Amino acid sequence: DAGITQSPRHKVTETGTPVTLRCHQTENHRYMYWYRQDPGHGLRLIHYSYGVKDTDKGEVSDGYSVSRSKTEDFLLTLESATSSQTSVYFCAISDPSRAFYGYTFGSGTRLTVV
Amino acid sequence: QKEVEQNSGPLSVPEGAIASLNCTYSDRGSQSFFWYRQYSGKSPELIMFIYSNGDKEDGRFTAQLNKASQYVSLLIRDSQPSDSATYLCAVSFGNEKLTFGTGTRLTIIP
Repeated sequence: DAGITQSPRHKVTETGTPVTLRCHQTENHRYMYWYRQDPGHGLRLIHYSYGVKDTDKGEVSDGYSVSRSKTEDFLLTLESATSSQTSVYFCAISDPSRAFYGYTFGSGTRLTVV
Repeated sequence: QKEVEQNSGPLSVPEGAIASLNCTYSDRGSQSFFWYRQYSGKSPELIMFIYSNGDKEDGRFTAQLNKASQYVSLLIRDSQPSDSATYLCAVSFGNEKLTFGTGTRLTIIP
C-alpha cells in the first residue's frame, strides 16, 4: 500500500471506551486524511492534516479527535466510542507537490463498538 | 454542499462487453476527477484521474468528462471477471480534499 500502514486492522471495543487508531506513512507526504466508510454513505471525511500540528475537521468530525506530532503519524481518537462509530476507517495520504494528488489509501481498520 | 452522486447498482455486464459507469457532481468549478476501484474487503485503489481540460485513456479504461452536464464517466472495454468491484468516483472541489460518491457495484458475468 505505497508505504502507508494502519493499526490495528481489526478492533472490538465497548461503548464508552476511548479508542485510538494509528496511521503511519513512509512516503513523507504532507497531507493525511481519515475517512470512514459505511454502507449507503460511501467514504466520508472525518479529519485531515496538512502538516505537523496542522489539522482540521471534515464533514463527520463529532466524537473524533486527531493528532499529528510527526509527519509520518496521524492518530485518530474516538473519545468515547458509540455503536454509531462502528465502521471501517481508512487513512489516506497525498502530496500536493506532485503532478496529481490522488489519494493513496491504507488497508483500513475495521472497528466494532459493542 | 458539494455532492458527488453515483448509481449504487449493481450493474451487471457480460464478459467482453463495455461497462459504463457514471458520476454527477454539484460544483461547476470542479477541476479534478478520480476513479477508484475497491474490491470487497479491500481499500480503494486509484485507477484513473482526469483534469477539467480533457478525457483520458489508459489501456482498457477511458475516463470522459462532460462539463456542461456536470458528469464524468468511466468506460471499461473488454470487461473481465477481475473488473468486478465497486467503483468510486471522487471530485476535488478546488482544494486538496476529495469528495467521494457512494460507489457503483459492477459485476462482470462470465
